Amino acid sequence: GENVEQHPSTLSVQEGDSAVIKCTYSDSASNYFPWYKQELGKGPQLIIDIRSNVGEKKDQRIAVTLNKTAKHFSLHITETQPEDSAVYFCAAPNYGGSQGNLIFGKGTKLSVKP
Amino acid sequence: EPEVTQTPSHQVTQMGQEVILRCVPISNHLYFYWYRQILGQKVEFLVSFYNNEISEKSEIFDDQFSVERPDGSNFTLKIRSTKLEDSAMYFCASTQRGRVGEKLFFGSGTQLSVL
Repeated sequence: GENVEQHPSTLSVQEGDSAVIKCTYSDSASNYFPWYKQELGKGPQLIIDIRSNVGEKKDQRIAVTLNKTAKHFSLHITETQPEDSAVYFCAAPNYGGSQGNLIFGKGTKLSVKP
Repeated sequence: EPEVTQTPSHQVTQMGQEVILRCVPISNHLYFYWYRQILGQKVEFLVSFYNNEISEKSEIFDDQFSVERPDGSNFTLKIRSTKLEDSAMYFCASTQRGRVGEKLFFGSGTQLSVL
C-alpha cells in the first residue's frame, strides 16, 4: 500500500518569508496529491491539489510542485502571513484498500511570526 | 461552500461508557467516512460507508465501533465501551462519488475525552 512521508514536522518562519513543506510517496501509480490545512479546533480543509499530468499548480500565494520520477511533491507558500499558521497535511491516494481513499502524512505545524 | 456538520464538538465520557458521535454529511454526497486524529498525530482512516453498508474499514475499527445512517441525513459513529485510548478528535467526511482523487470534505470534528 501507499506510504506518505512528510517533512519537516515543524516549521517557523517570519511573516513575509516563504515556507516549503515536502512529501514523498511510495506507490508509482498514485496520480492525485492534495494538501490540507488544519486550523486549531477545525477539521482539515483542502487548499490545493495536483494531478500527475502537471508538474506545478498555483493558486495565489500557494503552489504545489510534483516530481513523479522522484515520487515527491511539495507545498510552497510565499509571502507568509500570520493566518497561514496551521498544521498542513499532504496526502496521496490509496489503491490498496482498508485505509480509505487517502493516506495522510504526519503533518507540518507552520508558525508564522509577525 | 457546503459543509459537513458534526455534533457535539466536545464529548467527555467515563471509560466503559457508550458514546455516539453524530454527523450530517453534505446533502448530495453518497460516501461517508470517519477518521480520527490522536493528539499530535496524523489523520487515520476508520471506516467508509456507502448505500447503508460499510465499504472499507481499518484495523482500528474493531467490534467496539459501529456506524449507522439512521435517517436520510445523519451518519453516526458509536463506540460501545470506550477505552482511554479512544480519546481523540473524530472527523466525519463525505464525498459525492467516493472515487480516489475526489475532494474529501471534513467536518470540524468531535473531541472525545475518555476518563
